[in-house]
Amino acid sequence: SYELTQPPSVSVSPGQTARITCSGDALPTKFAYWYHQKSGQAPVLVIYEDSRRPSGIPERFSGSSSGTMATLTISGARVEDEGDYHCYSTDSSGKRGVFGGGTKLTVL
Amino acid sequence: EVQLEESGGVVVQPGGSLRLSCAASGFTFHDYTMHWVRQVPGKGLEWVSLINWDGISTYYADSVKGRFTISRDNSKNSLYLQMSSLRTEDTALYYCAKDRTPQGYSYADYWGQGTLVTVSS
Repeated sequence: SYELTQPPSVSVSPGQTARITCSGDALPTKFAYWYHQKSGQAPVLVIYEDSRRPSGIPERFSGSSSGTMATLTISGARVEDEGDYHCYSTDSSGKRGVFGGGTKLTVL
Repeated sequence: EVQLEESGGVVVQPGGSLRLSCAASGFTFHDYTMHWVRQVPGKGLEWVSLINWDGISTYYADSVKGRFTISRDNSKNSLYLQMSSLRTEDTALYYCAKDRTPQGYSYADYWGQGTLVTVSS
């Protein structure tokens, strides 16, 4: 079955740039989406269609995708950005979703 | 305001069955594909299944195919997940989620708060 691969953890100091990657064979033809999840809460979308930012999401969040890798970038990370980040995409059919394993972001 | 409220999560024995429900409000339910996503506490998200806006097309993750059945009742603005032959590895918080695109397939833009299913003897 199709898989997306993320690093288990990323750690940065406040104000630094955090980059979280997501790799998958279908990413050259399928969009990547990024969700942020804080402990005990439902996921919140922060990036859709590789690089688009929903209304209400701070400009420090950006996304890109090249080849088989999508990247979420948080420029000037803040303590409130801590939590788990999950990438999402679909398999080549476009009908079966798949999440990456999640990346725990620590900002301290 | 979009609201999704899951229910039906309980403790069930391995091999047992269970039906989850999701009550939707605040949007035109019959226009949207709906998803089930689960999460083992402390672990990552796992996409489980989707059903298109009119209930005709359904898709499943390999881990649940043949054991779970997704359905919807557009007259009741409700989504369901019938789970059978349950295994301990099905223990998770189950989220109901709405797709972003009317009469399409893209991504989940609204999520419920989840209902906990525990499979244990």
